Amino acid sequence: DTEVTQTPKHLVMGMTNKKSLKCEQHMGHRAMYWYKQKAKKPPELMFVYSYEKLSINESVPSRFSPECPNSSLLNLHLHALQPEDSALYLCASSQSLGQETQYFGPGTRLLVL
Amino acid sequence: EDKVVQSPLSLVVHEGDTVTLNCSYEVTNFRSLLWYKQEKKAPTFLFMLTSSGIEKKSGRLSSILDKKELFSILNITATQTGDSAVYLCAVEGGTNAGKSTFGDGTTLTVKP
Repeated sequence: DTEVTQTPKHLVMGMTNKKSLKCEQHMGHRAMYWYKQKAKKPPELMFVYSYEKLSINESVPSRFSPECPNSSLLNLHLHALQPEDSALYLCASSQSLGQETQYFGPGTRLLVL
Repeated sequence: EDKVVQSPLSLVVHEGDTVTLNCSYEVTNFRSLLWYKQEKKAPTFLFMLTSSGIEKKSGRLSSILDKKELFSILNITATQTGDSAVYLCAVEGGTNAGKSTFGDGTTLTVKP
């Protein structure tokens, strides 16, 4: 199994809603990542988890809250988002941190109204 | 600040042409350079390069890294319409392991 899965594929939410994005991998990878990608732009790193501990937080606003319940799962909790947060949210995983290929999931396309 | 610059930003060719995409970088504590292909969805991995001068090949695609001049090229020979995509270059380095800096990508369009 060389796949990273993400749910949901699409999400529309209002600015007062609370929702969660989910990411799962069963490759035994110990590093997992959240990226945000706006149209015609490259992915921007948001968070990195290594061995279920938060390793990097790229100064992301607190309305985004990551969680890594176990080595296969990564969640991104969303609360009080703004319309400018609308983007493709990509999850990736790699064997470990550093010098490792990252495998990306298909992404969740988020629209904040 | 770490920087990755790709050129050209966009390219239109005809099937059968050969293309060369460029990626230059300024990154502290360089660890690796990766090439990805992104069509409508998520990026898919093409190559990871860590050593200078060693060409990596996969079918019609090949890539090489020059750590002295701080750049990499991605070559695609005998292009096909299915090669149309955004090609992203990412460099891992800096003080934090796991942090990749992406270039803006090269949009390749292959016409029949």
